[in-house]
Amino acid sequence: QSVLTQPPSISGAPGQRVTISCTGSSSNIGAGYDVHWYQQLPGTAPKVLIYRDSNRPSGVPDRFSGSKSGTSASLAITGLQAEDEADYYCQSYDTSLSGVVFGGGTKLTVL
Amino acid sequence: EVQLLESGGGLGQPGGSLRLSCAASGFTFSNYAMSWVRQAPGKGLEWVSGFSGGGGSAFYADSVQGRFTVSRDNSRNTVYLQMNSLRAEDTAIYYCAKDGTATFYYMDVWGKGTTVTVSS
Repeated sequence: QSVLTQPPSISGAPGQRVTISCTGSSSNIGAGYDVHWYQQLPGTAPKVLIYRDSNRPSGVPDRFSGSKSGTSASLAITGLQAEDEADYYCQSYDTSLSGVVFGGGTKLTVL
Repeated sequence: EVQLLESGGGLGQPGGSLRLSCAASGFTFSNYAMSWVRQAPGKGLEWVSGFSGGGGSAFYADSVQGRFTVSRDNSRNTVYLQMNSLRAEDTAIYYCAKDGTATFYYMDVWGKGTTVTVSS
């Protein structure tokens, strides 16, 4: 059971907008710790997609955006493309565990 | 170019030991926290352990506390993970990751991973 809760899977058609939620608690997201998002393409290592809630590293398309409110965060992908098919993970810090925590991951399927 | 290269994975016996290494290049190694993140077959990411930058301290997930030891050699730009008392549930790809800061914040560079299989 992951400390951060994500839906196991979502799907969308090319061009559509999808969102992935990440729900935490008062010891992580709710305590004010930032949320970061990673994309893991099949057979590859994860790469950071969004850091510090809503910031994109250089090279990440602006189709990807992040937001946070209360004990939850969201990743939005607009203009869905076939190449976006991947696993997505949220990550934060948990003060009770004194360590980094990940969500269970969400598998995005592009129909 | 910032690079991380893991090594040391392989087959370990239940109750046995393995030592993973991660050689870093392309950045001032001592300034940044370094983490080990694992992914069991078909499962999600799990942060295992990390060593903060600067003076540095080691941190562990509860699942490996007392069995794994993380260390770093700033002169060799290398972080290590000594894995003792191995269990079947330690079977995973182990990724080395550089943090964006000296503490545990977010991982901005990842290695390709090294596979650990625990089996008799």
